Amino acid sequence: AQTVTQSQPEMSVQEAETVTLSCTYDTSENNYYLFWYKQPPSRQMILVIRQEAYKQQNATENRFSVNFQKAAKSFSLKISDSQLGDTAMYFCAFMKLYDKVIFGPGTSLSVIP
Amino acid sequence: DTGVSQNPRHKITKRGQNVTFRCDPISEHNRLYWYRQTLGQGPEFLTYFQNEAQLEKSRLLSDRFSAERPKGSFSTLEIQRTEQGDSAMYLCASSRRTSGGGLEETQYFGPGTRLLVL
Repeated sequence: AQTVTQSQPEMSVQEAETVTLSCTYDTSENNYYLFWYKQPPSRQMILVIRQEAYKQQNATENRFSVNFQKAAKSFSLKISDSQLGDTAMYFCAFMKLYDKVIFGPGTSLSVIP
Repeated sequence: DTGVSQNPRHKITKRGQNVTFRCDPISEHNRLYWYRQTLGQGPEFLTYFQNEAQLEKSRLLSDRFSAERPKGSFSTLEIQRTEQGDSAMYLCASSRRTSGGGLEETQYFGPGTRLLVL
């Protein structure tokens, strides 16, 4: 069975600084997808960034980028130029082809003015 | 594209009552998923449909839970004889199953229904 681990329950970062959230996963699959979802307080789960396992190039979306290390089964999220609106729970998630999403326990990120 | 919608957004009920939640997926999406999220935790998979067929159910989905997607569009999740342990956020997500897979399989989430059982 697949598992997703996020070892940082809480993190904080100063506004405009850079922060990296860690995620590791365990799977025997070769083809799969990885995601970072953001869930602001009392608000909807939003997709931040996604990565296909067969692609070596790390995904980027504006201020968000990932460091995908397939051999190490590591998928960290880097947020550059942190903004107050980035305050949220961040969930790392795994999905094998045509299947359900398995979420990690989440990291609560606070951006400090 | 109006996104995934869920109703009601909040539900308070007494233990032993039945409740029903509705999810309307993104219109062209043929897959629909239900997840449960308790406070401070990541969502946990409950069940999913491809069109009207229910393809998988989690062990979390006890006999008191039933989900339907009768016409392959909206879905309902019913909980019978609610218990205090059922208090959680119930999330719905949808995606488009394609023959080639790919990131089109990405799931998009609704706002959730928060259930409180007293």
